[in-house]
Amino acid sequence: AQSVTQLDSQVPVFEEAPVELRCNYSSSVSVYLFWYVQYPNQGLQLLLKYLSGSTLVKGINGFEAEFNKSQTSFHLRKPSVHISDTAEYFCAVNPFNKFYFGSGTKLNVKP
Amino acid sequence: DVKVTQSSRYLVKRTGEKVFLECVQDMDHENMFWYRQDPGLGLRLIYFSYDVKMKEKGDIPEGYSVSREKKERFSLILESASTNQTSMYLCASREGQGNTGELFFGEGSRLTVL
Repeated sequence: AQSVTQLDSQVPVFEEAPVELRCNYSSSVSVYLFWYVQYPNQGLQLLLKYLSGSTLVKGINGFEAEFNKSQTSFHLRKPSVHISDTAEYFCAVNPFNKFYFGSGTKLNVKP
Repeated sequence: DVKVTQSSRYLVKRTGEKVFLECVQDMDHENMFWYRQDPGLGLRLIYFSYDVKMKEKGDIPEGYSVSREKKERFSLILESASTNQTSMYLCASREGQGNTGELFFGEGSRLTVL
């Protein structure tokens, strides 16, 4: 069975501070891992994905994520956030032709 | 760029009405999906289709059906809408080759059932 856990439902942070959004998954097979972002009243768009190779993946808007197979984690990080990063972030796994999503983390960047 | 278009951004329907949510993609993707998004629950898969006239149940298909008569169009149907189907509905598509391709999403259809 596949599942995705995002431990933090909300993360408040001040502008220019670093942030980490946590994602853990469970799967009985090898998976591909994704982070999506959803801005208010919009659909989801891809931030980054891990398929194979280097465990550190860089995405759009200065975000990066690190795949840790032993800890079954795929945490998202940004060294310095902006007000415009305020959004909801979803971690997802894709072991077959079905994506399994976490419950989302709302990032609230304060001035 | 891939474009996934959902015909209605906001709908208000009454209990018992039949509701159609339409989705069109312009990149010749084989796979199309309907998700439901609710606060604190993330996205849950209702149905998906990997080819014309083919469909597979997702995790929460009860109360829904789908139609895929053409490759670019995937419709979600609520035969008799109920208040517990008030939600945001997201359509997505992806290429058919392997599992490495990402999902491309539409902007969502927010349905309120009174």
